[in-house]
Amino acid sequence: DTAVSQTPKYLVTQMGNDKSIKCEQNLGHDTMYWYKQDSKKFLKIMFSYNNKELIINETVPNRFSPKSPDKAHLNLHINSLELGDSAVYFCASSQERLLAGGEQFFGPGTRLTVL
Amino acid sequence: DQQVKQNSPSLSVQEGRISILNCDYTNSMFDYFLWYKKYPAEGPTFLISISSIKDKNEDGRFTVFLNKSAKHLSLHIVPSQPGDSAVYFCAASDNYGQNFVFGPGTRLSVLP
Repeated sequence: DTAVSQTPKYLVTQMGNDKSIKCEQNLGHDTMYWYKQDSKKFLKIMFSYNNKELIINETVPNRFSPKSPDKAHLNLHINSLELGDSAVYFCASSQERLLAGGEQFFGPGTRLTVL
Repeated sequence: DQQVKQNSPSLSVQEGRISILNCDYTNSMFDYFLWYKKYPAEGPTFLISISSIKDKNEDGRFTVFLNKSAKHLSLHIVPSQPGDSAVYFCAASDNYGQNFVFGPGTRLSVLP
């Protein structure tokens, strides 16, 4: 059984479109995250949710909006896609509310390509 | 401004030998350090962590050493196996979880 799953695995779309990436975890964790891995392979945290509450919101454009219908799901909506949004997006979850010392479990990633 | 640095983009080691992956950080507020391993087309998986009150943590073939005065940590893999070939990310966070940063990664190749 996959612990953290993301759909779709690949997403190719035109500039200006709106798209969503879904994430689900079956580990019973309280906290979920979204990361972006850019072309230089840097992994940067974008958002974190704890029990449906946003607890970290890094300086990402407001075209990106996380939505958590329940604590097992954290979806990422992206409006007006731009070329620079092309990257691999990883969802993750952890038991602890804060990141400090807490092991995170990552999904397999979604490769987004904006044409 | 990279707060977590892994200056070796790649490392090759013979099977059975020791692999040493290094990580340096600049933010003295970091209190927890973690190593993740990543295979192609998969998400990172947690390997081992260490808090700043320790200087060593061991788990099987993996040992992490922390030198807080030098702001340096290293991951030792002994003995190295071909299945260890992956990208290894060092990560650091402060005690409040408000600042969590990954390094750029080191690609380890273990040659049979």
